[in-house]
Amino acid sequence: SQTIHQWPATLVQPVGSPLSLECTVEGTSNPNLYWYRQAAGRGLQLLFYSVGIGQISSEVPQNLSASRPQDRQFILSSKKLLLSDSGFYLCAWSVGATTGYEQYFGPGTRLTVT
Amino acid sequence: AQKITQTQPGMFVQEKEAVTLDCTYDTSDQSYGLFWYKQPSSGEMIFLIYQGSYDEQNATEGRYSLNFQKARKSANLVISASQLGDSAMYFCASKGGSTLGRLYFGRGTQLTVWP
Repeated sequence: SQTIHQWPATLVQPVGSPLSLECTVEGTSNPNLYWYRQAAGRGLQLLFYSVGIGQISSEVPQNLSASRPQDRQFILSSKKLLLSDSGFYLCAWSVGATTGYEQYFGPGTRLTVT
Repeated sequence: AQKITQTQPGMFVQEKEAVTLDCTYDTSDQSYGLFWYKQPSSGEMIFLIYQGSYDEQNATEGRYSLNFQKARKSANLVISASQLGDSAMYFCASKGGSTLGRLYFGRGTQLTVWP
């Protein structure tokens, strides 16, 4: 069966510090991968998605970036965090991109920027 | 573009009763999918149910059913026989042929089940 891991689970970082969140998927090959952010009390906002190694599409211009160095690894990064980067970050995967494929989410990382 | 509207910020239901969570969508795609996710306080998003735009039957998964009314562009989630463990945030989401697999979420409805 497929599983998705995210770490760390929680993170408290000062403004201006770098960020690296990691997501890995097991039990599937060539998944579509997604990074979402959820602000407190809000829905999910898609940040990045990837259909293959080295292929990254950005939805929202910001000081975050994403990379996919391996087929089942997706990394979210920042060189300098802002207060507004605080939130709950969720990684997700799906088998395909067409309308019928649901996405499965990881446990999330709760980031607090102080 | 896809837009999801959930007009109920919070809903309350007594245990063992049924509850309907509303969702309306707006899309220009001919082919699209509608999804419901549950988010308990732990934060994990749990997939519940899916409805395709060309599906003639309403989707059902155990106690969950999706009341799909295409002409009204609504995709309401019905939970039958509510349980205390159903208390969570519920999100409606959509994706269409033009969105390359991206899901668009509503703002969610907080469901509270009381004994």
